[in-house]
Amino acid sequence: GAGVSQSPSNKVTEKGKDVELRCDPISGHTALYWYRQRLGQGLEFLIYFQGNSAPDKSGLPSDRFSAERTGESVSTLTIQRTQQEDSAVYLCASSLQVVSTDTQYFGPGTRLTVL
Amino acid sequence: GDSVTQMEGPVTLSEEAFLTINCTYTATGYPSLFWYVQYPGEGLQLLLKATKADDKGSNKGFEATYRKETTSFHLEKGSVQVSDSAVYFCALKGSARQLTFGSGTQLTVLP
Repeated sequence: GAGVSQSPSNKVTEKGKDVELRCDPISGHTALYWYRQRLGQGLEFLIYFQGNSAPDKSGLPSDRFSAERTGESVSTLTIQRTQQEDSAVYLCASSLQVVSTDTQYFGPGTRLTVL
Repeated sequence: GDSVTQMEGPVTLSEEAFLTINCTYTATGYPSLFWYVQYPGEGLQLLLKATKADDKGSNKGFEATYRKETTSFHLEKGSVQVSDSAVYFCALKGSARQLTFGSGTQLTVLP
């Protein structure tokens, strides 16, 4: 595809509801990353996928957060029982591989607001 | 662990002024270093990168040199334009697979 796409672009939900965020990486990119950007702060790493497996889940803030990737393409980030502190922009990125020199290309993000 | 310390903003300059945004890092091994830019209402874009010591990354008139001896990757531009107004993020990728970002510097360029 032309670039990384994410949906929805905006999501407003009530505290306690579950949400699913979707990421479509660039075609052929084996590595996929999720980050979170809270208002006025830098990006916080959540999880990455090499193919369909997630070797490093250390960045997930709590067990309410989970992610999966199927067919080495689409990934979904699920937040269960959302809390107000989950409000942030969730960014997805992809790269050809996970090697340190590879550039990560970012999607436009999903802005999540938990009321 | 890896970390990036970035010059705090906001930074306000007049058009054609010289820009420096400082960035220093802590990492084991030999990380790759990046500058990303986020224009208003847009997603994060790679501005430039350097993958080994003494490499200079450059793009759109911006430059940054990978200085291992000072663990720095300062961003510079000789003459900024109004269109350069954005948030700039310094980042590294080392032994961990993910990028580690600085906190971002908001740049506003006035005509």
